[in-house]
Amino acid sequence: GAVVSQHPSRVICKSGTSVKIECRSLDFQATTMFWYRQFPKQSLMLMATSNEGSKATYEQGVEKDKFLINHASLTLSTLTVTSAHPEDSSFYICSVTRESSYEQYFGPGTRLTVT
Amino acid sequence: QKEVEQNSGPLSVPEGAIASLNCTYSDRVSQSFFWYRQYSGKSPELIMSIYSNGDKEDGRFTAQLNKASQYVSLLIRDSQPSDSATYLCAVTPNAGKSTFGDGTTLTVKP
Repeated sequence: GAVVSQHPSRVICKSGTSVKIECRSLDFQATTMFWYRQFPKQSLMLMATSNEGSKATYEQGVEKDKFLINHASLTLSTLTVTSAHPEDSSFYICSVTRESSYEQYFGPGTRLTVT
Repeated sequence: QKEVEQNSGPLSVPEGAIASLNCTYSDRVSQSFFWYRQYSGKSPELIMSIYSNGDKEDGRFTAQLNKASQYVSLLIRDSQPSDSATYLCAVTPNAGKSTFGDGTTLTVKP
């Protein structure tokens, strides 16, 4: 069965609005979750590392004020895309990592379209 | 030089053949190595992990690791059309985030 759930799977929003994406670890408690973005026919791009109970660590070039991450519990991390614009349209994927093995389990992804 | 390099492909093999996917990495302290499969429009899924030199087999899949050569590969035996996907190599140091390659697209032709 699924190890990670993500909601919503697909969202269309208007430019200037904010969108929240939820990532839940279903199988085990995850102190670390990762958020990725993937544009069509391009590779995975790590956006940030979400740490339970502390601030997220953002990759170079990713605006932390635009992509707000909250990892409030050991099973839930949220990514909020604030003031979304068409160039933010992408496939957003979260993953949880098993600390004993560093294996990553990916959520099914959220396809965001900003009109 | 990228930290993790894969042949971009596309790699095309006939059904029933062996598909060989290769990956090299630059960080010598890397300890954990993974192969993920990503179907078009879907998120990646873990198919193999390997931590020590040598071969690791799981069904039709065999991962091979050579730390001295900084090389990891994935062999898919008896390739099926359902194996057609992009395969991502990921490398992780002793602790911390993985570095992914750009992926190799495999097409298995019936």
